[in-house]
Amino acid sequence: ELKVEQNPLFLSMQEGKNYTIYCNYSTTSDRLYWYRQDPGKSLESLFVLLSNGAVKQEGRLMASLDTKARLSTLHITAAVHDLSATYFCAGAKIYGGATNKLIFGTGTLLAVQP
Amino acid sequence: KAGVTQTPRYLIKTRGQQVTLSCSPISGHRSVSWYQQTPGQGLQFLFEYFSETQRNKGNFPGRFSGRQFSNSRSEMNVSTLELGDSALYLCASSLGTHNTDTQYFGPGTRLTVL
Repeated sequence: ELKVEQNPLFLSMQEGKNYTIYCNYSTTSDRLYWYRQDPGKSLESLFVLLSNGAVKQEGRLMASLDTKARLSTLHITAAVHDLSATYFCAGAKIYGGATNKLIFGTGTLLAVQP
Repeated sequence: KAGVTQTPRYLIKTRGQQVTLSCSPISGHRSVSWYQQTPGQGLQFLFEYFSETQRNKGNFPGRFSGRQFSNSRSEMNVSTLELGDSALYLCASSLGTHNTDTQYFGPGTRLTVL
């Protein structure tokens, strides 16, 4: 059964600094997703990573996938306060030709301090 | 186009009652998945419906059930509510037919059981 672990659980960082969130998964995951959740809000899709070596970037966030190590990373460059949120990674098993069961990590609460 | 909508947004019930939550997917999406989010257990998959059929199910007791209508709208029902059912219930919609599908989440229904 697929299990997903994230670390750290909480990350306090200063504006302008770089940091990385790690996402490990236990068995083969067909896809790897990153979501963002603001307090009291729903989940916003950030990235979907499809294959080994995949790298995607959007603004100050960059996600990568290493299927051999069963590891995905979310790298934050020059953090700004607006990036403060909880970030979730999720593995996915494909059934019936479509990704429809996400297994989420515990989430990383990111607090960017001025 | 309009996003995923969920009603009601907030709900307060007492133990032993039952509750029905509703989810309207993005137009054209045929898959609706439901997730429960709690501080202790995190985000957990409940079930997924595609074309009015339950295609996948998580590890929840039979008190949790759902259905999908011909217009892809979905409802989930929880009977004989317990205190531990207090949670944010999120639904997500996707096309459901392609293996790079991204699931788009609704705002959630926050259920409080007293």
